[in-house]
Amino acid sequence: AQSVTQLDSQVPVFEEAPVELRCNYSSSVSVYLFWYVQYPNQGLQLLLKYLSGSTLVESINGFEAEFNKSQTSFHLRKPSVHISDTAEYFCAVSGGSQGNLIFGKGTKLSVKP
Amino acid sequence: GAGVSQTPSNKVTEKGKYVELRCDPISGHTALYWYRQSLGQGPEFLIYFQGTGAADDSGLPNDRFFAVRPEGSVSTLKIQRTERGDSAVYLCASSPGLLGTEAFFGQGTRLTVV
Repeated sequence: AQSVTQLDSQVPVFEEAPVELRCNYSSSVSVYLFWYVQYPNQGLQLLLKYLSGSTLVESINGFEAEFNKSQTSFHLRKPSVHISDTAEYFCAVSGGSQGNLIFGKGTKLSVKP
Repeated sequence: GAGVSQTPSNKVTEKGKYVELRCDPISGHTALYWYRQSLGQGPEFLIYFQGTGAADDSGLPNDRFFAVRPEGSVSTLKIQRTERGDSAVYLCASSPGLLGTEAFFGQGTRLTVV
């Protein structure tokens, strides 16, 4: 069975500070990893994903995540956050023969001026 | 439409009643997923369709929950004898069906059982 653990339920940070949202997963098969973002009053949107190849993946708005197989982690980072990054971030995994995503409980990122 | 559409956006029902939640996926997407998101939790997998058939229904919590996708497009999630614990946001997503491809989510239906 697959599972995802997001260690921090809330992360408050000041604008322009760096941030890391942690995600660990467990799986007995090769996995695909995703970060989804949910802005206030909006639906879930894909932020970035790791399928294969380079272990460092980037989004168009400055976030990046690194797949670390030995530590079974896929932490999300941004060197300098903006107020507009305030949202809830969900890490998810899929793998094996099924396409369904297994989500973590989410991390609420709150960026303060 | 351009995205995944879910109706209604809000549904309030009395305990014990039957409800149907509808999902209209992106045209051409063969895979369709239902999730349930309770307050403070991540989306919880319910059921996954590949075409018309349920490829994995292991997430359905009990036999009061049932979902169909008769023509491989629109799907309906059906909940019988609703209970207060069924209150949640029910999310639908669709994807082209290939492993690792992005799942596109609808805005969800907020179900409140009173």
